Amino acid sequence: QVQLVQSGAEVKKPGASVKVSCKASGYTFTIGYYIHWVRQAPGQGLEWMGWINPNSGVTNYAQKFQGRVTMTRDTSISTAYMEMSRLTSDDTAVYFCARALTITYLDYWGQGTLVTVSS
Amino acid sequence: QSALTQPASVSGSPGQSITISCTGTSSDVGGYNYVSWYQQHPGKVPKLMIYEVSNRPSGVSNRFSGSKSGNTASLTISGLQAEDEADYYCGSYTSSSTYVFGTGTKVTVL
Repeated sequence: QVQLVQSGAEVKKPGASVKVSCKASGYTFTIGYYIHWVRQAPGQGLEWMGWINPNSGVTNYAQKFQGRVTMTRDTSISTAYMEMSRLTSDDTAVYFCARALTITYLDYWGQGTLVTVSS
Repeated sequence: QSALTQPASVSGSPGQSITISCTGTSSDVGGYNYVSWYQQHPGKVPKLMIYEVSNRPSGVSNRFSGSKSGNTASLTISGLQAEDEADYYCGSYTSSSTYVFGTGTKVTVL
């Protein structure tokens, strides 16, 4: 069965960086599917951040996050990563990874990783 | 890319039907048949309910249906049940090869 397992909760200080991992299993990581990253601030809606094509490493980020977010992958361990720099309190949110048939729909989601930014 | 527009809340009594709208532009909802819908219960992970405007993934109740007209997509829940009370988000592919979510709708079962 398809599973996406994310790394654990993080607490960071303003100005720091965070890197969240997303390990995929139950399907071929590099064929046919992209990994998207979505975040949800407390009490707020879903916000799309970007995607990575695990096969090629090509990425596409939401304009809001360009220059501050980097998505990478390690195909040898079927894992995608999302790194965000220059964190502020506004970045406090649950971060989800999700598998998608390219850019069409997100069918499997990770369990979410809470990132708390606090001084 | 602005979020797609959804009503903040929709309510209905058990057994009734409700419809949630999702309005975008010709660069997203109106331009492609790649609208999807997600259900999210409090504290839970979003769940795909509809993909490519009107297709249901395996295991999703046929009480959920989707449609699209122009720049507006819709999700209809028929035979409303208590377990349907949740937040619902639409999502769409965009002309920039990105993805965009709707603002979200809270469904309340009276």
